[in-house]
Amino acid sequence: SQQGEEDPQALSIQEGENATMNCSYKTSINNLQWYRQNSGRGLVHLILIRSNEREKHSGRLRVTLDTSKKSSSLLITASRAADTASYFCATDAGNTGKLIFGQGTTLQVKP
Amino acid sequence: DAMVIQNPRYQVTQFGKPVTLSCSQTLNHNVMYWYQQKSSQAPKLLFHYYDKDFNNEADTPDNFQSRRPNTSFCFLDIRSPGLGDAAMYLCATSTPGGFQETQYFGPGTRLLVL
Repeated sequence: SQQGEEDPQALSIQEGENATMNCSYKTSINNLQWYRQNSGRGLVHLILIRSNEREKHSGRLRVTLDTSKKSSSLLITASRAADTASYFCATDAGNTGKLIFGQGTTLQVKP
Repeated sequence: DAMVIQNPRYQVTQFGKPVTLSCSQTLNHNVMYWYQQKSSQAPKLLFHYYDKDFNNEADTPDNFQSRRPNTSFCFLDIRSPGLGDAAMYLCATSTPGGFQETQYFGPGTRLLVL
């Protein structure tokens, strides 16, 4: 079964607003990662948060991890039209050595 | 710049006609992955190489094969493409120790089966 579930599936906001995406997972993890995918392109790694971390920042990105709730959130502040993309969370499936991707959140930022 | 390169970016093939997709990397990473991604879906791991060790996912159809002649190159062979194999194919790499670490993706090859 799928490790990561994302919410919402689609999000549309105005430029300058903040965007929040959530990811839930089912089994214990070593880390959780977020990737961005522009339409028709490969995935680009955004940020990795380890299981012993609660919050991590990178530029306009803020990721939180709550291992007790098995959930993570990605916050993009002061969004730009260029942030329009699909965002995927990915977890290592226990100690199998694989990354399992969630279904993704499609973000549209309107200029 | 170090990167993951996929060729071609777009591939059209006929039903049942073998096709090969290629991936090369200048990152000198030990691990290389192939994913299949259908429209509006998550990438699905097909198989990966840890150096020369090949690891097939249990649900990857036999129709899909892979070769890794050296560290830099990895190929995905689809022996008899069906209409359901039309998808984006993504190659990725990571460092050993490795599976739980960042993966670096190529731009993908979009396969169309006629």
